[in-house]
Order: sequence, then C-alpha cells, then structure tokens
Amino acid sequence: DIVMTQSPDSLAVSLGERATINCKSGQSVFSSSNNKNYLAWYQQKPGQPPKLLICWASTRESGVPDRFSGSGSGTDFTLSISSLQVEDVAVYYCQQYYQTPFTFGQGTKLEI
Amino acid sequence: EEQLLESGGGLVQPGGSLRLSCAASGFTLSDHGMSWVRQAPGKGLDWVAHITNDGSTFYADSVTGRFTIFRDNSRNTLYLQMDSLRAEDTALYYCAKQVSAGGFNWGQGTLVTVSS
Repeated sequence: DIVMTQSPDSLAVSLGERATINCKSGQSVFSSSNNKNYLAWYQQKPGQPPKLLICWASTRESGVPDRFSGSGSGTDFTLSISSLQVEDVAVYYCQQYYQTPFTFGQGTKLEI
Repeated sequence: EEQLLESGGGLVQPGGSLRLSCAASGFTLSDHGMSWVRQAPGKGLDWVAHITNDGSTFYADSVTGRFTIFRDNSRNTLYLQMDSLRAEDTALYYCAKQVSAGGFNWGQGTLVTVSS
C-alpha cells in the first residue's frame, strides 16, 4: 500500500496570508507513460462531503478559485492557498489514485 | 446536473449485514470508475472499494471477504453489500465517481452504525 503522510496536522494562518500543506507518498505516484502524477487534493468543511480541488497534482477543477494551487512530483506534493479567506477554513486531504488501495493522507485542519 | 444519492445505512448488530445503494443521475454510472469511501466519526477518509468501468473490483484489506461492490447498469445504481459487520465498520459511507482526471466527486453519504 502507498502510505500518504500530510504535514502539518493542523495549521493556523491569518486572513490574506499564504497557507501551505505538504503531502508525501511512500512511493512515487508518477507515471512515465503519460507524465502525470496521480495525486488529488480535497477540501472538507464540517457536515459536508469532500470536494475535489485539484487532480494530477496541479490541475484545478472547474470552479475552484485560482488562489488554490498544487505542485510537486514523484513523492512530494504541496497545496498552497495564496491569500486565505474565511471560507477556506476546512480539513484538506491528499489522495493517490496511482494504484489501489487509493489511500488518503490523514488530513490537515486549516484554521484562521 | 450529476448527482449521487446514497441510501441504506442504519443501525445493525455486530455480525449482521447491510446493503448500501448509490443512485446516480445525470451520467451513466458504468462509464466511470466508482468507489466507496468511509469516514468514522471525527476521523479521516478511508477508501473501501472500487469498481472500474469494465467491472474489475478492488477492496481494502480490512473489508476483503466481507464487503462486495457491484452495480446494476439498468438501474444506474452502485451497491455495497456489507456482511459480517464489526464495530469498527461504523462510519459515514460515501460513494464517489472517478472523474476523467482521476480524482473523485462525492455523494452526501449514508451513516452505518454497528452496535449491539
């Protein structure tokens, strides 16, 4: 199984400041056949299902604000929020879909 | 608009069975990979099972031999048959559609409680 480890577990950032969440996979999730990293980021607010933010490690889903960005390759990935808004308070998860089981990180709680 | 509507959750005794359903609308379920993912109260996300568009199935070790994922194409519905339930299976169960870029879009979930 590919173990996904996020850091930090929780993070407090001031409004308008940058938030950075890291995700490390136990083995590479990069495929040389299509040059893509099989890594997604989700946002989960209380009482709601997770929402897909980013696929392929860096491709924003339609409708996701451009203050959200993903980067990284191989085993090390980052989700950045360039200017934190109140509505960004949530728990964020990374997930690899390179191979089953499609494992998740433990989550990072983002607060203001 | 695409929607996933889970149902079938409830209270069941240890050792019992339950069948969860996920009715899809706005898209053809069999054209996509579909997963079940669960979340225990106050905990993180735990992938349970997956069925590919060609019908191949995959399971987490913790549920292998006890849970079965399958779909009814005529009803455009995904199912999770859960047998030999344990207290540690207590969770909110989500069905999730794999989008073309690989990540998942989720339903609202259905709550399963295993307790005597």
